[in-house]
Amino acid sequence: GAGVSQSPSNKVTEKGKDVELRCDPISGHTALYWYRQSLGQGLEFLIYFQGNSAPDKSGLPSDRFSAERTGGSVSTLTIQRTQQEDSAVYLCASSPNSGSAETQYFGPGTRLLVL
Amino acid sequence: SQKIEQNSEALNIQEGKTATLTCNYTNYSPAYLQWYRQDPGRGPVFLLLIRENEKEKRKERLKVTFDTTLKQSLFHITASQPADSATYLCALANQAGTALIFGKGTTLSVSS
Repeated sequence: GAGVSQSPSNKVTEKGKDVELRCDPISGHTALYWYRQSLGQGLEFLIYFQGNSAPDKSGLPSDRFSAERTGGSVSTLTIQRTQQEDSAVYLCASSPNSGSAETQYFGPGTRLLVL
Repeated sequence: SQKIEQNSEALNIQEGKTATLTCNYTNYSPAYLQWYRQDPGRGPVFLLLIRENEKEKRKERLKVTFDTTLKQSLFHITASQPADSATYLCALANQAGTALIFGKGTTLSVSS
């Protein structure tokens, strides 16, 4: 079956521009997570969705970052006025159930480079 | 806050040997711990989950132990192969159960 997909796979943008990153989770998975992985760093949690609501957005680094999920499926992570420190791989994951951070299925990531 | 440390950034071993990776955690008593594999340019892939009441878990050539007293998990790959070369990540759920906290990973290189 199809896994988690993310688009674009790579994105190069200029400082100050807005970017949108998309995640298509595994069909039927109610939980969706966004993480960021910078060079030499571990995965950093950004936001968790249960259905269309985000009970935990504590990892979003600033108010330039926002995310939404529609129809209990596709999610979009938006970064406004990008900065060079936003350069990283943005990973999306989904899991079947809610209520605990159980086994997560990751997408391939979007590699963002801010010039 | 919860903290996870994977002691070695890199581990180099010869084919056929057993690789042992270490994961230590502090400030938390997790109900379970997970191990993931990440290849370059790809997202992490789940390998094993071990619960607090399980001392050891096995899957093919993989073995994970979980010592809640030492707050440590060991991940073993027996009869290692060059195809096992990758970065291995350990992960715990945060206290709210809303996300995984990952270690920085250990990059394993198996030479033939």
